[in-house]
Amino acid sequence: GIQVEQSPPDLILQEGANSTLRCNFSDSVNNLQWFHQNPWGQLINLFYIPSGTKQNGRLSATTVATERYSLLYISSSQTTDSGVYFCAVVGTSGSRLTFGEGTQLTVNP
Amino acid sequence: DTEVTQTPKHLVMGMTNKKSLKCEQHMGHRAMYWYKQKAKKPPELMFVYSYEKLSINESVPSRFSPECPNSSLLNLHLHALQPEDSALYLCASRLFGSKDEKLFFGSGTQLSVL
Repeated sequence: GIQVEQSPPDLILQEGANSTLRCNFSDSVNNLQWFHQNPWGQLINLFYIPSGTKQNGRLSATTVATERYSLLYISSSQTTDSGVYFCAVVGTSGSRLTFGEGTQLTVNP
Repeated sequence: DTEVTQTPKHLVMGMTNKKSLKCEQHMGHRAMYWYKQKAKKPPELMFVYSYEKLSINESVPSRFSPECPNSSLLNLHLHALQPEDSALYLCASRLFGSKDEKLFFGSGTQLSVL
């Protein structure tokens, strides 16, 4: 099946800093989503972005499908951005959403 | 309404108990999911219902029994669980068959099996 690798596995920032999270995938995809899981366990869908670029406030995402990667940008980070960020994909030959192992982000005040 | 509601939020049960987890959405989504998540790991798919019919069972043990009474409700019946079944159980839904295939998650039920 399709493989999803996220980097870095852990990231510690000071409030106000910017960061880039990366998601590499091993095959063509027709579905790619970014999620944020807060420390209380709630998984929030940030973006549905199988290709192209989207922005939502301080967050933006870019997927370069031909090169099999996606990037999540967080600008002016806040302590509430802390948690785990998951990338999840569905390969063109598959039907199930495959999650990466996540990036654990800690934003310190 | 853009919520997936799960109850209860926390559940402690013995290995001989029978309990049920409930999930509800009113977004008109026709695909509903159960996931299991262990600490510091990504969610693992358990079951998928499409148009109220079970379409995917990821070889889940029979002590977990899903049920979809209607297009808004999803239940997970639990019986004779083992301590290793302790985890966060997440319900999710999506519209199905649209261009925007966003998956929406509930806040989960934290299950402890003693």
